Amino acid sequence: AQKVTQAQTEISVVEKEDVTLDCVYETRDTTYYLFWYKQPPSGELVFLIRRNSFDEQNEISGRYSWNFQKSTSSFNFTITASQVVDSAVYFCALSGNNAGNMLTFGGGTRLMVKP
Amino acid sequence: NAGVTQTPKFQVLKTGQSMTLQCAQDMNHNSMYWYRQDPGMGLRLIYYSASEGTTDKGEVPNGYNVSRLNKREFSLRLESAAPSQTSVYFCASSQVWEGRSNQPQHFGDGTRLSIL
Repeated sequence: AQKVTQAQTEISVVEKEDVTLDCVYETRDTTYYLFWYKQPPSGELVFLIRRNSFDEQNEISGRYSWNFQKSTSSFNFTITASQVVDSAVYFCALSGNNAGNMLTFGGGTRLMVKP
Repeated sequence: NAGVTQTPKFQVLKTGQSMTLQCAQDMNHNSMYWYRQDPGMGLRLIYYSASEGTTDKGEVPNGYNVSRLNKREFSLRLESAAPSQTSVYFCASSQVWEGRSNQPQHFGDGTRLSIL
């Protein structure tokens, strides 16, 4: 069985602060994929990043960066110099080596960035 | 660029009523999914269709049925709605090659369903 845990239910920061959203996963698959999605107040789900289990390189995209550590089963997401527009619920998700590409989601972290 | 389109966006039902949520994608994806989102629980998979003509149960299938009408369309039916099915429902699609989980799922905007 797969499991994704986002222990931080809510985080509140002031604009321009850096913030890290934690994600810990469990899977028995040797090949798997990790994802981050953003859900802004408007409600849609926006894909941010995909990482496969055999690529542990960290990735940076503008103010966003992701730290994948297989040794600790973690895939953390950092926003540098946060902005009010970053306020959203962020979901971490896991897909194992299954035929249907089924996703297991964490419970989400609500990030509030105050001006 | 429509992507994944869900209808309706909002619906209120009475307990025992039935309804079908519609979903269509224009990305030529082979796989489609239905999730429900409840507060604090993330999204949970109800049913999925790995390819046209196939459907399989997800984590929370009880009380629901699905139909993969063609490659583009995947509908979710509530035969006898219950208050516990009050939720936000998301449809998603992705392209899966050779049974590997390697592409992100693209989501519709959701259907907010309330059952009184």
